[in-house]
Amino acid sequence: EVHLLESGGGLVEPGGSLRLSCAASGFTFSSYAMTWVRQAPGKGLEWVSEISGSGGATSYADSVKGRFTISRDNSRNTLYLQMNSLRAEDAALYYCAKCGVYCNRNWFDPWGQGTLVTVSS
Amino acid sequence: DIQMTQSPSSLSASVEDRVSITCRASQSISSYLNWYQQKPGKAPKLLIYGVSSLQSGVPSRFSGSGSGTDFTLTISSLQPEDFATYYCQQTYSAPWTFGQGTKVEIK
Repeated sequence: EVHLLESGGGLVEPGGSLRLSCAASGFTFSSYAMTWVRQAPGKGLEWVSEISGSGGATSYADSVKGRFTISRDNSRNTLYLQMNSLRAEDAALYYCAKCGVYCNRNWFDPWGQGTLVTVSS
Repeated sequence: DIQMTQSPSSLSASVEDRVSITCRASQSISSYLNWYQQKPGKAPKLLIYGVSSLQSGVPSRFSGSGSGTDFTLTISSLQPEDFATYYCQQTYSAPWTFGQGTKVEIK
């Protein structure tokens, strides 16, 4: 069974940094693109970033470009999201999800349970 | 960016009702349209991919249709466990965008 488990969320001050992790199991991790999606409290879903199976290709939403970095360690079956220069509007529940070989023209399944990021002084 | 607009934003329905949710894309997305269900405090769950393909384990009362810019999620006979928020998503052109959600509540 495919399983994704996020961690690393917490309370951070505006301008601070945080690194999220997503531990994957139940599939050949390096063969699939992975993605991060966030959900602000009481709001809808917003795609954040994705990375190819090899890690060689990445893309970002404009709202986080230049501040967030997605990466992966295929030897550890783990996805990461390094978040710098955090703003109040980055506060959300962050989900990782598995794509197909690519996220393009595919779907996100399954999703992890999410890790909560709070940005406040 | 492609905008996804769902209607209605919320609806009240009774068990065994037939319910339809529409999703409109701001430009053609061919057949790259997915539907997710999210229950309170839970992660989204894939229901339908590629407009009309039912994800494994999803009950057959869920169905999807449409093409181009206009899509529909239909629940043929609403069950108590179907009360949730539903999101459409396009993966035709990055950035991948979601509709704002449709909350299905008990009447």
